[in-house]
Amino acid sequence: DGGITQSPKYLFRKEGQNVTLSCEQNLNHDAMYWYRQDPGQGLRLIYYSQIVNDFQKGDIAEGYSVSREKKESFPLTVTSAQKNPTAFYLCASSIAAGGSSPLHFGNGTRLTVT
Amino acid sequence: DAKTTQPNSMESNEEEPVHLPCNHSTISGTDYIHWYRQLPSQGPEYVIHGLTSNVNNRMASLAIAEDRKSSTLILHRATLRDAAVYYCIRTNNNAGNMLTFGGGTRLMVKP
Repeated sequence: DGGITQSPKYLFRKEGQNVTLSCEQNLNHDAMYWYRQDPGQGLRLIYYSQIVNDFQKGDIAEGYSVSREKKESFPLTVTSAQKNPTAFYLCASSIAAGGSSPLHFGNGTRLTVT
Repeated sequence: DAKTTQPNSMESNEEEPVHLPCNHSTISGTDYIHWYRQLPSQGPEYVIHGLTSNVNNRMASLAIAEDRKSSTLILHRATLRDAAVYYCIRTNNNAGNMLTFGGGTRLMVKP
């Protein structure tokens, strides 16, 4: 059953710690994305990757880092430099990076930093 | 910035059609229009997308204005399971498939 897996569903961290969110897809999609969603708001793009070993900053990349060493994996690290890290994080993928390719989303990781 | 404008909320009665509007007045000729919907604490779900022509699938229909500055998502018979936040997005082909999501329309369906 193909899809996108984000783990864990809930994550708690202390302020000042880096934390890595996992995103794995078995859809054989080339493009992958990370979004952040705050309560009652839409989604804002953090980073995206069109192919393996390549990624670009989105609208709100400050305080985040990513890697794309494998086609199926696109982990996101929330660093201590991110001022307001508590949020709902969503990973997505698409067949290719282009307007005709729909996004497939995971079910998100809710990160709480205290 | 790839912006769209949608009403904050709409209400519908169960088993009636629903027309969700979206304005994208600055859309360029190669931008696609996508619609997604999101239930609480879940990731968005793809609904439909199009470029110029109207589109139909098992979930909904997408009507695109001739000048492409607006579109309408049509749910032919709303069910309680259709209650969600609906996002209308236009792509930004200058940066790959970066879809910028606005606040969306919260659809409430009354039994």
